[in-house]
Amino acid sequence: DGGITQSPKYLFRKEGQNVTLSCEQNLNHDAMYWYRQDPGQGLRLIYYSQIVNDFQKGDIAEGYSVSREKKESFPLTVTSAQKNPTAFYLCASNPLEGGYTFGSGTRLTVV
Amino acid sequence: RKEVEQDPGPFNVPEGATVAFNCTYSNSASQSFFWYRQDCRKEPKLLMSVYSSGNEDGRFTAQLNRASQYISLLIRDSKLSDSATYLCVVNENNNDMRFGAGTRLTVKP
Repeated sequence: DGGITQSPKYLFRKEGQNVTLSCEQNLNHDAMYWYRQDPGQGLRLIYYSQIVNDFQKGDIAEGYSVSREKKESFPLTVTSAQKNPTAFYLCASNPLEGGYTFGSGTRLTVV
Repeated sequence: RKEVEQDPGPFNVPEGATVAFNCTYSNSASQSFFWYRQDCRKEPKLLMSVYSSGNEDGRFTAQLNRASQYISLLIRDSKLSDSATYLCVVNENNNDMRFGAGTRLTVKP
């Protein structure tokens, strides 16, 4: 079945540590996105990529980095520079028109 | 001013009721519109796209009013399983999607 796979489902980060969240899709979609969701707030865009080897900052890119070496994969690294990383992270893709398909999300907690 | 605004609710309605949500958007150049459903601690899932002519899918009806810059979602004959948060999503330009914070619906027996 086609879809988006995010892993891990839950992730715990220590202070000062970098962690990488995985996002893989087999939908052959060109565009991929990373969003962050905090309680009571709408999704906020971190980074997006519309083509391999190219990506753009979203509204809250500080403290995050991404890569897009393959069409299927768009990993997100949460660096130590991100001071408040505890949130629900959602990866999405779409075929440049139409609505998004989301992965099941990664819940990141700082310990 | 937020780009996409929704009444957060919660809306608490009995089974069988009709309930409507509105969503306003600030960018008049917005191109496409969607309603998503999000269950607690899960990812959002596309409920329906919203077309200028309005569209219906079973008990759900979505409408777009470009002049007033709002979209609406009507749910008829509410079921317990409709309990969720409903997100309004606006595609402003070139897939720059903006999300509302969501409206929470609880359908009670």
